[in-house]
Amino acid sequence: LAKTTQPISMDSYEGQEVNITCSHNNIATNDYITWYQQFPSQGPRFIIQGYKTKVTNEVASLFIPADRKSSTLSLPRVSLSDTAVYYCLVGSTYGGSQGNLIFGKGTKLSVKP
Amino acid sequence: EAGVVQSPRYKIIEKKQPVAFWCNPISGHNTLYWYRQNLGQGPELLIRYENEEAVDDSQLPKDRFSAERLKGVDSTLKIQPAELGDSAVYLCASNAGTGKETQYFGPGTRLLVL
Repeated sequence: LAKTTQPISMDSYEGQEVNITCSHNNIATNDYITWYQQFPSQGPRFIIQGYKTKVTNEVASLFIPADRKSSTLSLPRVSLSDTAVYYCLVGSTYGGSQGNLIFGKGTKLSVKP
Repeated sequence: EAGVVQSPRYKIIEKKQPVAFWCNPISGHNTLYWYRQNLGQGPELLIRYENEEAVDDSQLPKDRFSAERLKGVDSTLKIQPAELGDSAVYLCASNAGTGKETQYFGPGTRLLVL
């Protein structure tokens, strides 16, 4: 599974757009890019997954350039409740029976009023 | 739909004592995972079950850790004897096992070994 690199921490203010970039230079052809969110005292929660270009759902967007060696999670208009750790993972599936999830240290996002 | 249930939520024990964690996955989920998460780190996989079979336990410290999922539903993770370095959060996750869906995590059990 490809190794990922992301910033240890980021600060933002309520209402701002936050972009968290993840590097995955050794991504394989079959690999997907998945982001999880984790609040204190809770398990990680799936946010979004993509393979290439752009994916958008009700909570976030994921931008993946053509070379797929990096990806950017975009959170529009963050609120205090978006304060959490965000993990970028790369693997052949969501981490189902054909693969395992390998978490890095994640990015600790702090949203201030 | 009920999520992944874990108990207890917190456990404090003295070193060399045994401890067990219980997990009930989402109904119908064939694949079950146990992870360990140390402070400030991401979760690390300990073992993965497909129904009642442990298909990946390469990261499980087998000298002191054991796990079972006898009927392919709920699962128990045991540590005997516990060491100070075992203090961590133990997370259970599950998914339907078709290979494409996300994993659903429980709240975890926070273990403190004194």
